[in-house]
Amino acid sequence: EDQVTQSPEALRLQEGESSSLNCSYTVSGLRGLFWYRQDPGKGPEFLFTLYSAGEEKEKERLKATLTKKESFLHITAPKPEDSATYLCAVLINNDMRFGAGTRLTVKP
Amino acid sequence: KAGVTQTPRYLIKTRGQQVTLSCSPISGHRSVSWYQQTPGQGLQFLFEYFSETQRNKGNFPGRFSGRQFSNSRSEMNVSTLELGDSALYLCASSFQVNTEAFFGQGTRLTVV
Repeated sequence: EDQVTQSPEALRLQEGESSSLNCSYTVSGLRGLFWYRQDPGKGPEFLFTLYSAGEEKEKERLKATLTKKESFLHITAPKPEDSATYLCAVLINNDMRFGAGTRLTVKP
Repeated sequence: KAGVTQTPRYLIKTRGQQVTLSCSPISGHRSVSWYQQTPGQGLQFLFEYFSETQRNKGNFPGRFSGRQFSNSRSEMNVSTLELGDSALYLCASSFQVNTEAFFGQGTRLTVV
């Protein structure tokens, strides 16, 4: 069965402490992988789209990478405003399947 | 450029009632998708519309339905509400299908 798994479930960092979030998938026919950020009480906000293994995208302190089995969201020198839930979604055929998310807290 | 607008933001309904939620996509976007988000199940895909046609449907009972109008605005309807339908319902619009989606703020539905 096609699955999307995010780890860790929750991550607490000190401001400036870099880390990575993982999104692994067991799907056939991956057509795209998307990263979103969601703040409490709001809809997800689009961050990146990755389509093929080896692809990388960057935006401010965030960098997303993709391999054949997983994607990483690297956060460099995070700030408290980076605190949010980060969701990855995998496009399988015409279905967008979301992972459960990683809840990131950055302490000042 | 205005974002995705969902109305209403909050709803309280009684079991057995029906409800209609509305979504206005970003201007120029023709694809609208609907999702249900709950703490236990996360974000689950309901259905997607493109140019007034339902392209795909998630694994939800027939009580959940939707439609899209010629101006790309979309509605979803839930009939015979159950307590388990309490959730945040999110609408997302895309310029084309299977591309990055832009979400609205959601409608928080509480069934009592």
